[in-house]
This record gives sequence, structure tokens and C-alpha cells, in this order.
Amino acid sequence: GESVGLHLPTLSVQEGDNSIINCAYSNSASDYFIWYKQESGKGPQFIIDIRSNMDKRQGQRVTVLLNKTVKHLSLQIAATQPGDSAVYFCAEKANFGNEKLTFGTGTRLTIIP
Amino acid sequence: KAGVTQTPRYLIKTRGQQVTLSCSPISGHRSVSWYQQTPGQGLQFLFEYFSETQRNKGNFPGRFSGRQFSNSRSEMNVSTLELGDSALYLCASSLYRGLNEKLFFGSGTQLSVL
Repeated sequence: GESVGLHLPTLSVQEGDNSIINCAYSNSASDYFIWYKQESGKGPQFIIDIRSNMDKRQGQRVTVLLNKTVKHLSLQIAATQPGDSAVYFCAEKANFGNEKLTFGTGTRLTIIP
Repeated sequence: KAGVTQTPRYLIKTRGQQVTLSCSPISGHRSVSWYQQTPGQGLQFLFEYFSETQRNKGNFPGRFSGRQFSNSRSEMNVSTLELGDSALYLCASSLYRGLNEKLFFGSGTQLSVL
């Protein structure tokens, strides 16, 4: 069935470097994408979102890129900090009036001091 | 503004028992969704409520049920617990229903079934 998946389960990045987390999706009807960050013992925290009519959106130290041609989503975190260590999930929602978010499996990002 | 509040934070039950989890959405939010998170299956959608009506349901057995009250607070119930029901149950709220509505999650209820 349709699913949202991630390329890598773990990623280690040196503090201060930039990190890129990738996500592939297969539902061509997906119209809205979200990145969440989940720290240990907490629920997912909203980071940034993007609609399918955009290919890039920037937030504070984060940028989401959307390539609809290859159904690929990425999250770029600039100048990583120890507090960025967490599991990152991409999620998608299709425009059927269906409120269900379909989540990827997650990538564990570890910032090396 | 307070975030999504879930109670209890931790719960231990035995097989065959039932359990009720509670969720208070962000003030003013009217849509509440529930998700199950396990290491093996990741985050799976359970159901969504809006205006006290279930609007969407995931692929879970009928043992999983929920409801929403007039103040938007929601509860979910799992009857005849099985070992495989051990998971983190997350509640999320949004202002309304809609494609671009952001979901805000609580910290979850960690359920252990022995």
C-alpha cells in the first residue's frame, strides 16, 4: 500500500555542521507534508510544513525541500546543536478530506559534540 | 496557552483488562486524533474526532474505540487488552479539520500490558 519511508534510520553529524534528513513518499495524491521532531519521552513536535504547490520553505535554521517529480522530501538543519538530537519523522496528508497523517519510520539524528 | 495534555502518563495493565486514556486538546482546538506508536510499526493512525463525531478511523480492531465530549476533550478505550497493545498512545489536536491544519501532539500515555 501507500507509505512514507525514510532512506536512513540513523544519522550522526558534527555539532555546527549542517544535516540533511531525507524522506521518500509513494502516494502521488499527497498534498501536504510535515516534519516532526521527537525527543525521548515526548510526543512529536511540529517543525515545518510544506504544501505540494511549493518546492521549498524555510524556517528558523530549517529548510524543507519538496521534489514532486521523484516524490522526495528533505529536511535541512543548519548549524546543528546538541538540542537537535532526536528522531525526525516526515508525514504526509492527502487532499481527500482525510485527516489521517501517514508517518515515515523516522531517522535518529545524533549530534556529535 | 497550555499544550495537549494526556493522562495518565504511564499505565500498566494485564491481558484481558480494559483501559481508558484521556486527552485534553489545546484550548480552542476542535479536532482530536489518536495515534499508536510502537518500535516495530512506528506511528499508526487510530481515529479522529471533530464535533463529538468520529470522522476517520484507522485499521485497528473494534477493541479500540474513542469518543469526544462537547468541550473537545477525548478519551480512547481499549478492551480485552493483548500483549501487542503495549505502546505509546499519542493524542494530537488541531484547530479545525483541513489539509493544512497542523497537528500538535501531547507527550503520550505509555501503556504496558503484562
